[in-house]
Amino acid sequence: RKEVEQDPGPFNVPEGATVAFNCTYSNSASQSFFWYRQDCRKEPKLLMSVYSSGNEDGRFTAQLNRASQYISLLIRDSKLSDSATYLCAVNSKSGGSQGNLIFGKGTKLSVKP
Amino acid sequence: NAGVTQTPKFRVLKTGQSMTLLCAQDMNHEYMYWYRQDPGMGLRLIHYSVGEGTTAKGEVPDGYNVSRLKKQNFLLGLESAAPSQTSVYFCASSIRDRPNYGYTFGSGTRLTVV
Repeated sequence: RKEVEQDPGPFNVPEGATVAFNCTYSNSASQSFFWYRQDCRKEPKLLMSVYSSGNEDGRFTAQLNRASQYISLLIRDSKLSDSATYLCAVNSKSGGSQGNLIFGKGTKLSVKP
Repeated sequence: NAGVTQTPKFRVLKTGQSMTLLCAQDMNHEYMYWYRQDPGMGLRLIHYSVGEGTTAKGEVPDGYNVSRLKKQNFLLGLESAAPSQTSVYFCASSIRDRPNYGYTFGSGTRLTVV
């Protein structure tokens, strides 16, 4: 099992749709989880940290399921501007005091009019 | 506040040439990282540093060297470039003991080795 896995997509959805992404991770000792957004030919930008209790930021909701070792991202009322690749990231705890982030390969989202 | 700045933004090298990619951050972050991103492979860690004067190998370190002589700078060197090193290189930084803050990335360097 790869350390961090995501469905590569693409997810093609109409404006206003709700879309959900999942990301599984293999290291049960991981403690930090993130969703990043990456636009075409740009750098990844932090979208949300994912907390144990789940967290919401406007139309975006992130959840963590430690028992099943996955994190999820829900986007409600999709906008054209949400079109991007969404990367999940999990800390590895293999180096340094807090480990390094291992990134999934990303899920591409395309929101159509 | 510039954040993380990478230079150059684009470069074409011939096989066997050498070059250095520079990453500079003005956020006083302790940790710095170099990743490469290739189609279908995602972001892969090359080297990282947990503080001035320290470096460590990541997932794909072969063919690269790094140095962190100053806290704000992290240099990535290619001693003898190969076509397999054609990639987009991203530098990132993070705060020690604040793992929930995540990483801040630079805008990337697009390198082509011919």
